[in-house]
Amino acid sequence: KQEVTQIPAALSVPEGENLVLNCSFTDSAIYNLQWFRQDPGKGLTSLLLIQSSQREQTSGRLNASLDKSSGRSTLYIAASQPGDSATYLCAVASGNTGKLIFGQGTTLQVKP
Amino acid sequence: EAQVTQNPRYLITVTGKKLTVTCSQNMNHEYMSWYRQDPGLGLRQIYYSMNVEVTDKGDVPEGYKVSRKEKRNFPLILESPSPNQTSLYFCASSRSWGGNEQFFGPGTRLTVL
Repeated sequence: KQEVTQIPAALSVPEGENLVLNCSFTDSAIYNLQWFRQDPGKGLTSLLLIQSSQREQTSGRLNASLDKSSGRSTLYIAASQPGDSATYLCAVASGNTGKLIFGQGTTLQVKP
Repeated sequence: EAQVTQNPRYLITVTGKKLTVTCSQNMNHEYMSWYRQDPGLGLRQIYYSMNVEVTDKGDVPEGYKVSRKEKRNFPLILESPSPNQTSLYFCASSRSWGGNEQFFGPGTRLTVL
């Protein structure tokens, strides 16, 4: 059974720092991995999608990597800003229905 | 604008009073699904649909029904809501199942008293 774990559960950094969020999954048979952002009480905004055949994807200050063989993904945020404060969720699409299995999320606070 | 919409966004109801949460997407996506989000449990899939008239159970289907009569709509029906269905609900869609990016609606916060 696929399980997704995110470490750390919470992170507080000063503005301007570069930071890394971690995601691990137990079954390497995945279609893709998606990183989402969720603001309190709000919906999920898709940040990056990495297909199983890809190693990384970049969007602006965000870079996500995927190492399928070791069951790991990282989300790198460069030059963090207070507006980056949110919960970041990773999810893998796997199984014969392609459903998303979510991690519990990392809550990020960027202090001015 | 490409989007997934849900209605209502907020709903307070009482035990046993049937309700429907609507979901609609304008991207001509084949795959649609419903998730619920609960503290400590994260997001879990309730039902999914791979295409019109094709639906199946996810991980937590008890107490819910769905239908997919049109490609764009995927309503979630609670025939007899109970307090343990108090949750934040999300509808999602993607071009097809498997390797495609999934897009989420804004969420529906449901409270069952």
